[in-house]
Amino acid sequence: DIQMTQSPSSLSAFVGDSVTITCRASQFISTYLNWYQHQPGKAPKLLIYAASTLQGGVPSRFSGSGSGTDFTLTINNLQPEDFATYYCQQSYRAPPWAFGQGTKVEIK
Amino acid sequence: EERLVESGRGLVRPGGSLRLSCVASGFNFRSYNMNWVRQAPGKGLEWVSSITSGRPYIYYADSVKGRFTISRDDTKSTLFLEMNSLRVEDTAIYYCVRATGAAVGLNVYDALDMWGQGTMLTVSS
Repeated sequence: DIQMTQSPSSLSAFVGDSVTITCRASQFISTYLNWYQHQPGKAPKLLIYAASTLQGGVPSRFSGSGSGTDFTLTINNLQPEDFATYYCQQSYRAPPWAFGQGTKVEIK
Repeated sequence: EERLVESGRGLVRPGGSLRLSCVASGFNFRSYNMNWVRQAPGKGLEWVSSITSGRPYIYYADSVKGRFTISRDDTKSTLFLEMNSLRVEDTAIYYCVRATGAAVGLNVYDALDMWGQGTMLTVSS
């Protein structure tokens, strides 16, 4: 099964900063990589699919890149509502579909 | 409005059973692949099971294989998760999740685009 590894597991940043989260797959997944945002007490939300395509309604300060095994999520001009936990997830071929362990973005 | 509403939360003894339900509204349920994803306390998201639309193909995480059964009733727009032989480590919030295949170029990419609010299962003696 494909395993997903995110780094860092947590980070602190100021409002207005830019942050980058990385995700590595244990084997080739082309661009079958999704990113989700999870705020406490809320349902997770799809941000990006196909590694770099923004889901409708997601602000353009979010961007994704990568292919093969290495991927990044970048958030520019961090806003207060962006402080949350972010997960990558692979959807290469049939399930099982693994998530990364999550990256918690906290206010500095 | 598109919605997924889970039910079946509860406290169950180890070894016990519980069935979760998820009622969909606002979209054509029978056309979508559906999933269960869980989050244990203090842990990350874990994909649990998937069932495709139409003639269903079914998939399970190794951690639940042989104990959990996913099913769907398209006439009632409802997804189920039958959970048997429950363990303490099954304690989690269980989310009902829709998967949508999005065309990008020549390929179709599956993503978990709509999530219910989740229902809590506690397995404890």
